[in-house]
Amino acid sequence: DTAVSQTPKYLVTQMGNDKSIKCEQNLGHDTMYWYKQDSKKFLKIMFSYNNKELIINETVPNRFSPKSPDKAHLNLHINSLELGDSAVYFCASSQRRGDGYTFGSGTRLTVV
Amino acid sequence: EDQVTQSPEALRLQEGESSSLNCSYTVSGLRGLFWYRQDPGKGPEFLFTLYSAGEEKEKERLKATLTKKESFLHITAPKPEDSATYLCAVQATGNTGKLIFGQGTTLQVKP
Repeated sequence: DTAVSQTPKYLVTQMGNDKSIKCEQNLGHDTMYWYKQDSKKFLKIMFSYNNKELIINETVPNRFSPKSPDKAHLNLHINSLELGDSAVYFCASSQRRGDGYTFGSGTRLTVV
Repeated sequence: EDQVTQSPEALRLQEGESSSLNCSYTVSGLRGLFWYRQDPGKGPEFLFTLYSAGEEKEKERLKATLTKKESFLHITAPKPEDSATYLCAVQATGNTGKLIFGQGTTLQVKP
């Protein structure tokens, strides 16, 4: 019974392609997040949604577009992939904005 | 600018050898400080939240403490299964829920 699930776990694609990562949480949490972890394991926030409303949009290229069809789902679409987009992308959720997060297991994106 | 720095970057201990990990932070106003554990190939796992200076929390062999400028994660008599990367993060006052992470400390405990 996975609390925060992401698909796919691994994604290898060529430069210039468009890809999506999906995230679902079954915890009933109101807030969901996307974080990017670089090769040095540094985690940085990209987006956050609270009950389907965008509340955080960090300095991220507009090739990245989040979508939240309902409060249990937060997807990430990436257009025109570049080599520098290679990283591990984590989805997370929290009951309220000040609470600790529950993270998914990550999606390792490799752009070749 | 809000910032988190963790030290050391890597730590090797013998089983049973106690030690501490440091997390120094600068933040405009602290709402909470969080500790996470991350195993290879997995997402970070929540350990503790500390809200005010002087607060302490414990879980098994781990104890987290907080001052106005830093937090320590004390590991008492560690076991090989404690080997992981430990991440510290702060949340500033405000209502976004954003966490600012440090770069982590990778702990290896040898039997």
